Amino acid sequence: EVHLVQSEAEVKKPGESLKISCKGSGYTFPSTWIGWVRQMPGKGLEWMGIIYPGDSDTRYSPSFQGQVTISADKSMSTAYLQWSSLKASDTAVYYCARHKWGVRGVQSVDFWGQGTLVTVSS
Amino acid sequence: DIQMTQSPSSLSASVGDRVTITCQASQDISNQLNWYQQRPGKAPKLLIYDASNLETGVPSRFSGSGSGTDFTFIISSLQPEDTATYYCQHYDTVGLFTFGPGTKLDIK
Repeated sequence: EVHLVQSEAEVKKPGESLKISCKGSGYTFPSTWIGWVRQMPGKGLEWMGIIYPGDSDTRYSPSFQGQVTISADKSMSTAYLQWSSLKASDTAVYYCARHKWGVRGVQSVDFWGQGTLVTVSS
Repeated sequence: DIQMTQSPSSLSASVGDRVTITCQASQDISNQLNWYQQRPGKAPKLLIYDASNLETGVPSRFSGSGSGTDFTFIISSLQPEDTATYYCQHYDTVGLFTFGPGTKLDIK
């Protein structure tokens, strides 16, 4: 059975750095795209980007390029989302998301983590 | 960039009703369109992929159709557990995804 288990909620101050994690199990982690989706309080879903853990090929939404770093450690079956300098506007729930492959390539999200709430406040 | 719009932004319907949600792309996206359900406080769930294919385990009262720029999501007979926000999502051939703004569905 597929499981994506995310790290616990975080409370940070503006300007601080942060790295949250998502550990996958029940499937072949290195050969499956995994990514992140943001949901700000009371708002909709925003797709941030994905990574292929096998070779670290990474794709970013233009809205998030340069704002965050997506990485993965295939030996640990874990994906990461990282900020170097948080802003109050980064306050949100962040979901990790396993992406499945279709006839045209990466196609949809078929499994989701439980979400990690990141609160950035002075 | 391709923009996705949904209508309505919210609706209220009764148990047993037929519910229709539409999603429009700013340019032709063929059938590269998925639908998700997000119940309050929960992670989203994939319902429909490639515009009209029902994900495994999803009840048959959910369906999708469309191609090009205009897509439709239908719940044929609304159930109480269908209270949720529904999102369409476009994916492109280089692995970039865009969600629509969502449609919030309440049960009367």
